[in-house]
Amino acid sequence: KAGVTQTPRYLIKTRGQQVTLSCSPISGHRSVSWYQQTPGQGLQFLFEYFSETQRNKGNFPGRFSGRQFSNSRSEMNVSTLELGDSALYLCASSWGGQGSGSYTGELFFGEGSRLTVL
Amino acid sequence: GENVEQHPSTLSVQEGDSAVIKCTYSDSASNYFPWYKQELGKRPQLIIDIRSNVGEKKDQRIAVTLNKTAKHFSLHITETQPEDSAVYFCAGRSDMRFGAGTRLTVKP
Repeated sequence: KAGVTQTPRYLIKTRGQQVTLSCSPISGHRSVSWYQQTPGQGLQFLFEYFSETQRNKGNFPGRFSGRQFSNSRSEMNVSTLELGDSALYLCASSWGGQGSGSYTGELFFGEGSRLTVL
Repeated sequence: GENVEQHPSTLSVQEGDSAVIKCTYSDSASNYFPWYKQELGKRPQLIIDIRSNVGEKKDQRIAVTLNKTAKHFSLHITETQPEDSAVYFCAGRSDMRFGAGTRLTVKP
């Protein structure tokens, strides 16, 4: 079974630009969640999508958005990039059943997209 | 959302010693408590998890204990080895939020 695939793996942008990152989950998984990881900041939760609907959202500004397609693939977009957006963006997929507070299955992470904002 | 506090933020032990990492949570409705390990340059991976109807779960050298009354759960690693060196993350529920992480260093 193929793992979680994220593209692109590396990208460099300048302030003010926007970026779109893609995540293809494991076949059969309906939940995709996104995280921002910076040195010393752990895994900051951005949002989670389940069956094309945003089910959970973290504390990030509106510049960060996402969506999920009918095949469960997900994209996240960051508009008006700032220097502080430089980070590793990880997505994770799971079967996603039941929902918030309950078991939704093991998270399988992709290798991440490393974004550098200059 | 759920607040999950994780301690300590860094932990250094000698090879062969035990390591304990603790997480506390606030939501009484939480019923699933996973631990993830992230080695340097790699993606996080689940190493053990526990449901709320169980007080302890073991898998070889690692174990997780849960105290629902006190709302905390702990990861225990016995007979630590250098390959246990990594960052460990807990989550207090299944809404995808993790603790801040614990960087464990096992000195040979």
